[in-house]
Amino acid sequence: SQTIHQWPATLVQPVGSPLSLECTVEGTSNPNLYWYRQAAGRGLQLLFYSVGIGQISSEVPQNLSASRPQDRQFILSSKKLLLSDSGFYLCAWKLGGGNMNTEAFFGQGTRLTVV
Amino acid sequence: SQQGEEDPQALSIQEGENATMNCSYKTSINNLQWYRQNSGRGLVHLILIRSNEREKHSGRLRVTLDTSKKSSSLLITASRAADTASYFCATVNTGGFKTIFGAGTRLFVKA
Repeated sequence: SQTIHQWPATLVQPVGSPLSLECTVEGTSNPNLYWYRQAAGRGLQLLFYSVGIGQISSEVPQNLSASRPQDRQFILSSKKLLLSDSGFYLCAWKLGGGNMNTEAFFGQGTRLTVV
Repeated sequence: SQQGEEDPQALSIQEGENATMNCSYKTSINNLQWYRQNSGRGLVHLILIRSNEREKHSGRLRVTLDTSKKSSSLLITASRAADTASYFCATVNTGGFKTIFGAGTRLFVKA
């Protein structure tokens, strides 16, 4: 069965420090991968998605970047965090291969607080 | 920008009552999905309705889709305290890669 791992669960970082959040998927190949951010009590904002190794699409200009160094690994990074980067970050995957009628599977999220 | 907009933003009902949440969207879609999120957790998929379907059922869930009005509704019948959560609609664009979520409805079911 497929599983998704996202870590860490919580993170407190000072302004100006770097960030690296990692997400890995097991049990499937060539998934579509996604990073979302959720502000408190709000909906999910799509930040990045990837349909293959090294292929990253950015949805919103951010102080963030994403990379996919391996098929089932998706990394969210920042060189210098801002206070506004605080939020709940969610990684998700969907089956690749062009089937549009599939659900997204989410990790448990990382709560990032920039202080 | 977000695609779906849920209505109401928050809903408080008694156990046993039905809960109805609505979602509107702006562009052409391939399908529409509903998800549930318990506080501080990831989202869990509930149901998917394709653009050529009008109604779908899954247990106590009933989803409708009106593509002419670009709207969908989620009905939870005979609600339980355990249904307390946030519910989000999500649309998948015709390209199929992007899943865009609305702001969600926070449902509170009182025992």
